Amino acid sequence: GAVVSQHPSRVICKSGTSVKIECRSLDFQATTMFWYRQFPKKSLMLMATSNEGSKATYEQGVEKDKFLINHASLTLSTLTVTSAHPEDSSFYICSGQRQETQYFGPGTRLLVL
Amino acid sequence: AQKVTQAQTEISVVEKEDVTLDCVYETRDTTYYLFWYKQPPSGELVFLIRRNSFDEQNEISGRYSWNFQKSTSSFNFTITASQVVDSAVYFCALSEYTGTASKLTFGTGTRLQVTL
Repeated sequence: GAVVSQHPSRVICKSGTSVKIECRSLDFQATTMFWYRQFPKKSLMLMATSNEGSKATYEQGVEKDKFLINHASLTLSTLTVTSAHPEDSSFYICSGQRQETQYFGPGTRLLVL
Repeated sequence: AQKVTQAQTEISVVEKEDVTLDCVYETRDTTYYLFWYKQPPSGELVFLIRRNSFDEQNEISGRYSWNFQKSTSSFNFTITASQVVDSAVYFCALSEYTGTASKLTFGTGTRLQVTL
């Protein structure tokens, strides 16, 4: 158990457009979900903590108006990268918290041209 | 502030060798959790183990074993008789409970390459 999916797995978009990434917990309810960003050969950087029914908590240095997070249900959180630019190209990975453990999705590779 | 150190950036071994991945942590919390995750080339982080700070018993799961020593703030991971499929980046992580969620502090990861 404890499976998390992400969609899409890969997306290419033009600079200036917005991209939405979905994170779903498939077999458990996740009151809390997390969004991370990972650069090549680097560790995971926490962007924000998403709690169902309330506003997300962003880490220092993460622009909340650029990375919009919505956690409308116990099984779905979305991350929207608004007005994407090439520097937003990265690997975005989400996790759902079940008891004390975070279970991760397969990640989304975003390439902004 | 919490900190996790994985001093080994990359390790290369030949199949069937044993390999130990080191993890040292820092925290002021008395209650915390330690984790190991595996990230294969596909990118998904796979949960391997969670250890409570009050439980110092070592754990074995097949070819994997973990040694938790609170006295040295270490949580090392050993793979016995390594296989090519073990090739991945392994992350050690420490949780910080913020009241509603358990935030993770990750180490920088150790890239393990197992060759034939």
